[in-house]
Amino acid sequence: QVQLQQSGPGLVKPSQTLSLTCSISGDSVSSNIASWNWIRQSPSRGLEWLGRTYYRSRWYNDYAPSVKSRITINPDTSKNQFSLQLNSVTPEDTAVYYCGRVYNSNPRGVFDIWGQGTVVTVSS
Amino acid sequence: EIVLTQSPATLSLSPGERATLSCGASHSVSNNYLGWYQQKSGLAPRLLIYDSSTRATGIPDRFSGSGSGTDFTLTISRLEPEDFAVYYCQQYGNSPLTFGGGTKVEI
Repeated sequence: QVQLQQSGPGLVKPSQTLSLTCSISGDSVSSNIASWNWIRQSPSRGLEWLGRTYYRSRWYNDYAPSVKSRITINPDTSKNQFSLQLNSVTPEDTAVYYCGRVYNSNPRGVFDIWGQGTVVTVSS
Repeated sequence: EIVLTQSPATLSLSPGERATLSCGASHSVSNNYLGWYQQKSGLAPRLLIYDSSTRATGIPDRFSGSGSGTDFTLTISRLEPEDFAVYYCQQYGNSPLTFGGGTKVEI
């Protein structure tokens, strides 16, 4: 079955870059009928979609307006994984970060598979 | 962006009772592209419903979704002990994807 396994540090200093990776098993990051997303959850902001990467004859990325100036999501086909980088973090970026799959030729959809979540704290 | 407002914030019920959860959208959700999730403490959300009323794979038929436009409902016909959790709606008809604030179903 499809599984997503997240990795990355749980503590990031203010102004630095948050970096997480999501490794895919049972599916392909290059699938033409899936998109690969990052979502976060905090008490103050609730569940918040951050962005996605997907392949439809070429690679596409879409980002939420709230983080668009600071975020990069990259696929890594050699390792069948995708990554999140969020620059210039502040304590407001403290949250549980999830990766998730949308299984649909339309990259917008519901998340049927989720990673286990990574608690990321932004603090000096 | 579309803002989703869930009500009530908390629903206090007993096993065997019927739960009715509401999700209101600030603008009409295109194609009624709305989903529902269940989340238990410390775990990722679990997909229950998509396209407003279609149950996801393996979801029991006591869970049902309905609604269109700006008003959507998740109904749990008879609460089982494992159904006590937080429920979220999510719209995907308009960019960016957005989630509601959640309804906690408690005993």
